[in-house]
Amino acid sequence: KNQVEQSPQSLIILEGKNCTLQCNYTVSPFSNLRWYKQDTGRGPVSLTIMTFSENTKSNGRYTATLDADTKQSSLHITASQLSDSASYICVVSAGGYNKLIFGAGTRLAVHP
Amino acid sequence: NAGVTQTPKFQVLKTGQSMTLQCAQDMNHNSMYWYRQDPGMGLRLIYYSASEGTTDKGEVPNGYNVSRLNKREFSLRLESAAPSQTSVYFCASSQLDPGTQYFGPGTRLLVL
Repeated sequence: KNQVEQSPQSLIILEGKNCTLQCNYTVSPFSNLRWYKQDTGRGPVSLTIMTFSENTKSNGRYTATLDADTKQSSLHITASQLSDSASYICVVSAGGYNKLIFGAGTRLAVHP
Repeated sequence: NAGVTQTPKFQVLKTGQSMTLQCAQDMNHNSMYWYRQDPGMGLRLIYYSASEGTTDKGEVPNGYNVSRLNKREFSLRLESAAPSQTSVYFCASSQLDPGTQYFGPGTRLLVL
């Protein structure tokens, strides 16, 4: 069964600190892996999309990594800001319109 | 350029009532999607439309119907609402299959 598991479920960090969120997946076939940011009460917003051949992709202070061999991805947030408080969702595509598998998300709270 | 818009933002229904959730995008995207998001779970695909004139079932289509009215608009209808349909509903669109998805702000539905 195709699954995407994220850890931790929730995380609290102090402003200015770094953090890393994890995503493990068992999805086949693999097309690409995405990270989304979802602010409370709003729709998800795309941060990065990585294909099989890409192992790192950055978007400002967000850096995603992909290890297709171990089927793991991480999202590293550098120098966190209060505005980073949100849920971060890992999504793996098995190819096709109906083949996006969403993780349950990691809820990040950044405190001053 | 509003992106993806959804109406209404919030709705309360009684069991057995019907309603239609509206979605429109102004990015000239070919593909549109309806998802539901429940606490502790990843987004689940209800229906999608790969292109104007086509619709297909997703992971959880029971109790819902959709209409791709034109390239811009994709509506979701609940014919006889049930408490199990209490959820947050997101519409999304993308140009490619399935490229970067752009989500609307969501409709929060409570069925009593």
